[in-house]
Amino acid sequence: NAGVTQTPKFQVLKTGQSMTLQCAQDMNHEYMSWYRQDPGMGLRLIHYSVGAGITDQGEVPNGYNVSRSTTEDFPLRLLSAAPSQTSVYFCASSYVGASGEQFFGPGTRLTVL
Amino acid sequence: GIQVEQSPPDLILQEGANSTLRCNFSDSVNNLQWFHQNPWGQLINLFYIPSGTKQNGRLSATTVATERYSLLYISSSQTTDSGVYFCAVNYGGSQGNLIFGKGTKLSVKP
Repeated sequence: NAGVTQTPKFQVLKTGQSMTLQCAQDMNHEYMSWYRQDPGMGLRLIHYSVGAGITDQGEVPNGYNVSRSTTEDFPLRLLSAAPSQTSVYFCASSYVGASGEQFFGPGTRLTVL
Repeated sequence: GIQVEQSPPDLILQEGANSTLRCNFSDSVNNLQWFHQNPWGQLINLFYIPSGTKQNGRLSATTVATERYSLLYISSSQTTDSGVYFCAVNYGGSQGNLIFGKGTKLSVKP
């Protein structure tokens, strides 16, 4: 199993551009989520999904959009990038339920100029 | 919301030394995980430990849920142990969201 994969690894955007960060998992996990990590801080939840067709907001959802059309994929869209979105983005997955151990992808380092 | 506090924030060790990292949380949790973020930024699962004690090689962890803390023990530290150690808890809801502490930055010197 590849586990949780993310693309791209690095990305530089200009203010106002849009882009999609890709996340895929091959563990048949129902639950997937996106976090961002800023310098000197832990991770903060952006959006999550408990299954195909179901998404919800986390702690810091503004400026981001998600959809979940399949169990395997959970893309994160930046509609109009801002310098405040410069961060490292991690995707995670687990079995549905509060007891699920979560597994993280390798991350995408995004810089918005 | 729930607070997760890790201590110490920074730790410098000589290779071969032992250390204990602590995670306190302010409310009941459904599970707790320890992660190691290596210098390349990868988040590596160390332990999934809502309660009890687990061991994996030189690392072990103990969670005392009733007293709202968890400890991560590193014995005979190696330079490859360097990085940031995060504690993360899941609370309340069924969606499996994790709340992260700010981490302990460990530097192991040769």
